[in-house]
Amino acid sequence: RKEVEQDPGPFNVPEGATVAFNCTYSNSASQSFFWYRQDCRKEPKLLMSVYSSGNEDGRFTAQLNRASQYISLLIRDSKLSDSATYLCVVNDPGGYNKLIFGAGTRLAVHP
Amino acid sequence: DGGITQSPKYLFRKEGQNVTLSCEQNLNHDAMYWYRQDPGQGLRLIYYSQIVNDFQKGDIAEGYSVSREKKESFPLTVTSAQKNPTAFYLCASSPDRGAPLGQSYYGYTFGSGTRLTVV
Repeated sequence: RKEVEQDPGPFNVPEGATVAFNCTYSNSASQSFFWYRQDCRKEPKLLMSVYSSGNEDGRFTAQLNRASQYISLLIRDSKLSDSATYLCVVNDPGGYNKLIFGAGTRLAVHP
Repeated sequence: DGGITQSPKYLFRKEGQNVTLSCEQNLNHDAMYWYRQDPGQGLRLIYYSQIVNDFQKGDIAEGYSVSREKKESFPLTVTSAQKNPTAFYLCASSPDRGAPLGQSYYGYTFGSGTRLTVV
């Protein structure tokens, strides 16, 4: 079983749509969770951290379900510029500030 | 502006040749990391360093070597022992000093990457 699993997609949605990505992680002791965005042939960039109580940043909402070891990212009112790959990231609890990256979910927003 | 600089952006290696990828940061971060990304796959950790003059192997260290003589610099050498080196190489740094349960409070900042191709 992979340590961090994501649906690879692609998710093809029209502008203005709401889209949700899910991610599961294998180690229940993980404490830190992030979503990164990676544009084609570019480096990953931190989109948002994920907190236990859930958190929102503009059109983006992240949720964490520790019992199910499940993380989600909701994007409302999708823009063309949201087209990218979204990486789910969790910390390695046995490591020293080591992060484990999922393979990513690709989003394509069309006019 | 602070950031991480990787060079070169593109690198071509001949069979049997060693090449070195540069990574420099002016963020005053203690921790630095090297990842490899292959198409359709997640990032895989090659080496990491939490402090100057110390580094540890990641999940795929075979065929690679690193040094950490200065806080700002963490170069990666891809040796001839690495049989499939064609990939996108990403360097990252973090201000986290490590927590008891391995928590990361700030995540990583990445450089813009080096694309290595074997010719």
